Amino acid sequence: SQQGEEDPQALSIQEGENATMNCSYKTSINNLQWYRQNSGRGLVHLILIRSNEREKHSGRLRVTLDTSKKSSSLLITASRAADTASYFCATDGNTPLVFGKGTRLSVIA
Amino acid sequence: DAGVIQSPRHEVTEMGQEVTLRCKPISGHDYLFWYRQTMMRGLELLIYFNNNVPIDDSGMPEDRFSAKMPNASFSTLKIQPSEPRDSAVYFCASSPKGGSEKLFFGSGTQLSVL
Repeated sequence: SQQGEEDPQALSIQEGENATMNCSYKTSINNLQWYRQNSGRGLVHLILIRSNEREKHSGRLRVTLDTSKKSSSLLITASRAADTASYFCATDGNTPLVFGKGTRLSVIA
Repeated sequence: DAGVIQSPRHEVTEMGQEVTLRCKPISGHDYLFWYRQTMMRGLELLIYFNNNVPIDDSGMPEDRFSAKMPNASFSTLKIQPSEPRDSAVYFCASSPKGGSEKLFFGSGTQLSVL
């Protein structure tokens, strides 16, 4: 399976701290994406990193990709209470996106 | 654009009843996906369409599930007959470029089968 596996399953931090979530996958990919899901809502695309990229930034988000280790990380800097959500990585290949089970992030004000 | 629109937002039904979930993708998006989300299994791809044609339905769990896309602006996912284990959140998503590019998700339908 190409399913990504996020780690940790849950993370609780104080507002202002940085949050790091990791994703591991099993097969070759063309790109890897990160999504956010607020409670009771659909997933929202955050960032896409292609297999030939190693790092990408978007506002307070920083994503890295290590294809040799088949892993990616999502860093949220200076976290806010509004960042409380579940975060999913999604990998492709020759099929549509396959999602992991997510990391539940709680940011405490 | 209003985004991907799903209806109903919540559906409560009794075992054995037929359930129909509806989705309106973003205009101009050629790809439409149906996913199911549960705590145990996470987000599972059920079926996806390209230009209204089903491409891969290998994720549809049983013959009780069927999906159609009669035109570019409408898709349905039907469960007949429904069972309690079908209880989940069902998401529709669309994409302009394909299954490996950015997906736009609807708000989902929370289905409870009693």
